[in-house]
Amino acid sequence: DAKTTQPTSMDCAEGRAANLPCNHSTISGNEYVYWYRQIHSQGPQYIIHGLKNNETNEMASLIITEDRKSSTLILPHATLRDTAVYYCIVNNNDMRFGAGTRLTVKP
Amino acid sequence: NAGVTQTPKFQVLKTGQSMTLQCAQDMNHNSMYWYRQDPGMGLRLIYYSASEGTTDKGEVPNGYNVSRLNKREFSLRLESAAPSQTSVYFCASARQGITQETQYFGPGTRLLVL
Repeated sequence: DAKTTQPTSMDCAEGRAANLPCNHSTISGNEYVYWYRQIHSQGPQYIIHGLKNNETNEMASLIITEDRKSSTLILPHATLRDTAVYYCIVNNNDMRFGAGTRLTVKP
Repeated sequence: NAGVTQTPKFQVLKTGQSMTLQCAQDMNHNSMYWYRQDPGMGLRLIYYSASEGTTDKGEVPNGYNVSRLNKREFSLRLESAAPSQTSVYFCASARQGITQETQYFGPGTRLLVL
């Protein structure tokens, strides 16, 4: 049973921000939230991770709610190449990826 | 650095045949993992190795064996392939133990069992 819940699919207009939500209501105090993405049939690619503070890197921003029960991955200016399946994972001993959110960026 | 490499890229087997999938990483990572991904599904962990000399079962270990040959290499063996093992297999590595660490993935091996 997955520890995270994500929408099955989302669309975003090119150049706009893509906001991908994730629920992880059973997260433990020392568990990190990780985000990966998988473009077409390639191997998953790490995006960002966080514990309780908001995080930003060159790819994305991660906003974690104060109670840590949900988070949002933000791609600030989505491009067509950001079309992929995005996985939100609560890191534990067996790294369950779930089905993720299929993000389609449209021109 | 090549990162994580996997061989072969594609393989077709007949039911009952055996084969070994190879994985190597050049990042001096301690941990290595094998996942399978069925069409339209997320990844499921088969086996992992938290450090050289140790291996542990993941979510779906039945029908597979692994060998952590050295720090660089982690192989996955199918002793008697079954059609249910048709899948894409991904290897990954991480610097530390299995928790709280970023994983880096290989390009995958696409396996078809007839």
